Order: sequence, then C-alpha cells, then structure tokens
Amino acid sequence: GESVGLHLPTLSVQEGDNSIINCAYSNSASDYFIWYKQESGKGPQFIIDIRSNMDKRQGQRVTVLLNKTVKHLSLQIAATQPGDSAVYFCAENFLGGSYIPTFGRGTSLIVHP
Amino acid sequence: KAGVTQTPRYLIKTRGQQVTLSCSPISGHRSVSWYQQTPGQGLQFLFEYFSETQRNKGNFPGRFSGRQFSNSRSEMNVSTLELGDSALYLCASSLGPGASYEQYFGPGTRLTVT
Repeated sequence: GESVGLHLPTLSVQEGDNSIINCAYSNSASDYFIWYKQESGKGPQFIIDIRSNMDKRQGQRVTVLLNKTVKHLSLQIAATQPGDSAVYFCAENFLGGSYIPTFGRGTSLIVHP
Repeated sequence: KAGVTQTPRYLIKTRGQQVTLSCSPISGHRSVSWYQQTPGQGLQFLFEYFSETQRNKGNFPGRFSGRQFSNSRSEMNVSTLELGDSALYLCASSLGPGASYEQYFGPGTRLTVT
C-alpha cells in the first residue's frame, strides 16, 4: 500500500494491549478536535471528535482526552487489535468560524499479533 | 451507498504541465473539501466548496484552484506543476459546510511530478 508519511513517530504494541496516541495542537482558540485513522492506500477515516467544552469523550473502544491548558489531545484505544494498525492523526478546527482545519503529523500504530 | 470516488487514482505529470483531478461525493452530500498530503508537510487543507461556491481556502498559491458543479461533483486544478506538488490529493464530502458535519474521505489521487 501507499505510505502516508515517512519518519512518523511509531508506537508498537501487542494485541490486547491498550494504546495511547498523543497530539499537541497549535491554536488555543480551536474549539473542535477530531481523531482520524488512515490505513495504507486509503483516505482518513473519522474515529471520534471532542468539543472544547469537554475534557473527555468515549466511543467504542476509544477515548479522547483534551487538556486545553497545555493544548494536548490523546487517543486511547482499548484492547488494541491488528486491524487497528494504521496512522492516526488529530485535527483542530473552529465550529463557528471558517472551516480551515489544521492536522497533526500523525503517529504510526503497529499492532503485533 | 457508494463512498467518495476520486479519479484518476494515479497520475504522472511533467513540470510545467497542468492537471485536473476529479471528486464525486457521496450521494446527497453537498460539500466537498480538498487536501494535499505529503510526507514532509502532512495533511493540509486546500479548499472547501458548498453549493458551487468556494467557502474557504487554505494557504496555497493561486496555481491551485477548484470548482464545484451543480451535482456537487468537484474538480481541482493545478497549473504550472512543480516537483513539490507531488503528493496524495484527497477529497472529502459532507452533508453540509463547516466543521460540524462529518467528512468522508476518498482514497486519493497520487500525483507524481517529474
């Protein structure tokens, strides 16, 4: 498949482990954040989002934490599976303003069976 | 329901040429956004179209342009290609404009400029 990024930070985990992927965002005025998953040869896929009035949001096997004080997002994946292997990146945006998203560089997650 | 389709999937062009990429959104989606993805810069926003109007534009030179048709299909054009334009170009569609609508990405067009 196609590589979506070279020299990305890599997180290697064993199947069944919990994974934590981190992202630092740049604009303190951003009020909406999304985590995407991108598998080789495919476009990004929405995983979970969070608004700035929340500090935690849970989905199916995933949890996003937002720390506005230090402008940091994390994505926690519970019981990681080989199918979770992909590049994960965050995006920041403004809900009420112009749509001009900014994306993090991404982290490559490798899950070993 | 069919996903976002992009054509062509792969393209090789020479410096100085121009290229047009096409994106067909999910049926019923009226907003289309375009992105450039490179190993060096990551994913960057190009522009967003809704109802045939460009609503927002990222920080790219005027060589990058786009348009949206009445059936919501969109095209982007890059003129006077440079080596640095080699990238994966992604489009995404959503029901409406702005950040509050979930975007669905296509598989991308891999453009190589030689």
